[in-house]
Amino acid sequence: AQTVTQSQPEMSVQEAETVTLSCTYDTSESDYYLFWYKQPPSRQMILVIRQEAYKQQNATENRFSVNFQKAAKSFSLKISDSQLGDAAMYFCAYRSAYPGNTPLVFGKGTRLSVIA
Amino acid sequence: KAGVTQTPRYLIKTRGQQVTLSCSPISGHRSVSWYQQTPGQGLQFLFEYFSETQRNKGNFPGRFSGRQFSNSRSEMNVSTLELGDSALYLCASSLDGNSRAGELFFGEGSRLTVL
Repeated sequence: AQTVTQSQPEMSVQEAETVTLSCTYDTSESDYYLFWYKQPPSRQMILVIRQEAYKQQNATENRFSVNFQKAAKSFSLKISDSQLGDAAMYFCAYRSAYPGNTPLVFGKGTRLSVIA
Repeated sequence: KAGVTQTPRYLIKTRGQQVTLSCSPISGHRSVSWYQQTPGQGLQFLFEYFSETQRNKGNFPGRFSGRQFSNSRSEMNVSTLELGDSALYLCASSLDGNSRAGELFFGEGSRLTVL
């Protein structure tokens, strides 16, 4: 079974600075997807960024980028120019790409605080 | 386009009671998944429905059940509630649930407190 580990329960960053959230995963599969989801307090979880395992190029979405190291099974999220609205729980998630629907496997999350 | 809607948002029950939670997916989405979120266990997959059929099931006891209607709306039911069932229950929808599509869209959740 796949597992996802987020070793940083809490992180903080100064507004306008850069922060990196860590995520490692364990799988024997070669084809899969990795995601970072953001869950603001009392609000719905939204997708921040997605990486397809067969793509070597790291995904980027505006201020959010990932460092995907497939051999090391590492998938970190970098947030540049942090804003107050970035404060939230961040979940790293894995999803198999094999046929049929497979569920997301989530890490325990990292709570990010942004200091003004 | 309306997002995923979950009702009720908050509810309080006592041990032994049962509860039904509802989820309306994004229009056109046919797959609905349910997740339980607790501080201790994090986010855990309950089950997934597609075209009124349960396609996948997580490792939860039979007290947890669900169904999907022809309009893709889904309900989940928890019978004989236990204190440990207190959690945020999240519903997520996607077009067809195929992993290749990747993205799930989540609702705001139903927060269940069992006393």
